[in-house]
Amino acid sequence: DVVLTQSPATLSVTPGERISLSCRASESVDTYLHWYQQKPNESPRLLIKYASQSISGIPSRFSGSGSGTDFTLSINGVELEDLSIYYCQQGNSLPYTFGAGTKLELK
Amino acid sequence: EVQLVESGGGLVQPGRSMKLSCAASGFTFNNYDMAWVCQAPKKGLEWVATISYDGSSTYYRDSVKGRFTISRDNAKSTLYLQMDSLRSEDTATYYCARQGTMGPTWDYWGQGVMVTVSS
Repeated sequence: DVVLTQSPATLSVTPGERISLSCRASESVDTYLHWYQQKPNESPRLLIKYASQSISGIPSRFSGSGSGTDFTLSINGVELEDLSIYYCQQGNSLPYTFGAGTKLELK
Repeated sequence: EVQLVESGGGLVQPGRSMKLSCAASGFTFNNYDMAWVCQAPKKGLEWVATISYDGSSTYYRDSVKGRFTISRDNAKSTLYLQMDSLRSEDTATYYCARQGTMGPTWDYWGQGVMVTVSS
């Protein structure tokens, strides 16, 4: 199984700052890497697909990059509503797997 | 508006069965692969199973193979998950999700239904 390692586990942020979250795969997943946001007591929401493709309705401050084994989700100007858990997920090979998540909290 | 509404969860004893349903609306159901994803309490997300748009292909994670069955009724725009021989470790919120047209990325999710396996 492809193991996705997300870092950091928790990130303390200040509104307005630019941040980057990391997702590293145990083997290449090409660009079949997707990012989700999950707010407390809500369902996950797709943020970025295929490493860097934007999703309709998602604020432009969210962007993704990477390929192979190293991926980054960036938020350019964190807002309070972004305080959530962020998961990466690979769709390159079965079983499809998620990372353990990065939790954004207020500094 | 795309909507996915799960039902059928609750408390069940170990070894027993439960069937989840997911009613879809707002899109052409039979054009999309569908999936179930679960989340144990206070834990991360875990893919459970996927079914192709026409029901001809199904895929499962190893821990549920032979115990869970994913199916669909395209005439009713409904997805199902039959869960047999339930174990305590199956306790989770189960989400129904629509799979993107280009592969396993999930662009719409239901609100989730809780399944608790306990005696």
